[in-house]
Amino acid sequence: EAGVAQSPRYKIIEKRQSVAFWCNPISGHATLYWYQQILGQGPKLLIQFQNNGVVDDSQLPKDRFSAERLKGVDSTLKIQPAKLEDSAVYLCASSLAGPPGEQYFGPGTRLTVT
Amino acid sequence: GENVEQHPSTLSVQEGDSAVIKCTYSDSASNYFPWYKQELGKRPQLIIDIRSNVGEKKDQRIAVTLNKTAKHFSLHITETQPEDSAVYFCAAVSGGSNYKLTFGKGTLLTVNP
Repeated sequence: EAGVAQSPRYKIIEKRQSVAFWCNPISGHATLYWYQQILGQGPKLLIQFQNNGVVDDSQLPKDRFSAERLKGVDSTLKIQPAKLEDSAVYLCASSLAGPPGEQYFGPGTRLTVT
Repeated sequence: GENVEQHPSTLSVQEGDSAVIKCTYSDSASNYFPWYKQELGKRPQLIIDIRSNVGEKKDQRIAVTLNKTAKHFSLHITETQPEDSAVYFCAAVSGGSNYKLTFGKGTLLTVNP
């Protein structure tokens, strides 16, 4: 079974630039999550999709972050404009719909904002 | 919302010793508690989980206990090995229909040979 795919793996940008991350979840997983993991901390949920609908985006800085999941499969997360404090690893995860269970994480995108 | 506290932040043990990591949560409606292991530069991976209708679960050298009354749960690793060295995260799923996962800040476990 193929795992969660993410690209790019690494990205370096200057502050005020924009960046986009892509995620392809495990086939058949209806729920998709984007997490931000700052060095030395646990992952923090940014947004959660159920199919192509947003279930929770309460911790998404909506003035600069946006995300979409077209057709309920792939998802993109965008930051515009980036700030220094956005430097982190952005993890995508997916899970089956229904009662809580294992979330499968992708390898992450390490973003450095200079 | 849910708040998960994890202790200790770092833990160093000798190979063969046991390691215990403790977490507390705030939302009494939380009903699912996974533990993830993250090796340096790698993705988090589930190692064990427990649901609120169970007090203890064991899988070989790893066990998790849950005390719903006190709202805390713990990870126990016995006979530690150098390959157990990693950051361990506890998490809790809030009550409600969206199954939001809140992570603790992590524990860096070092197993010394």
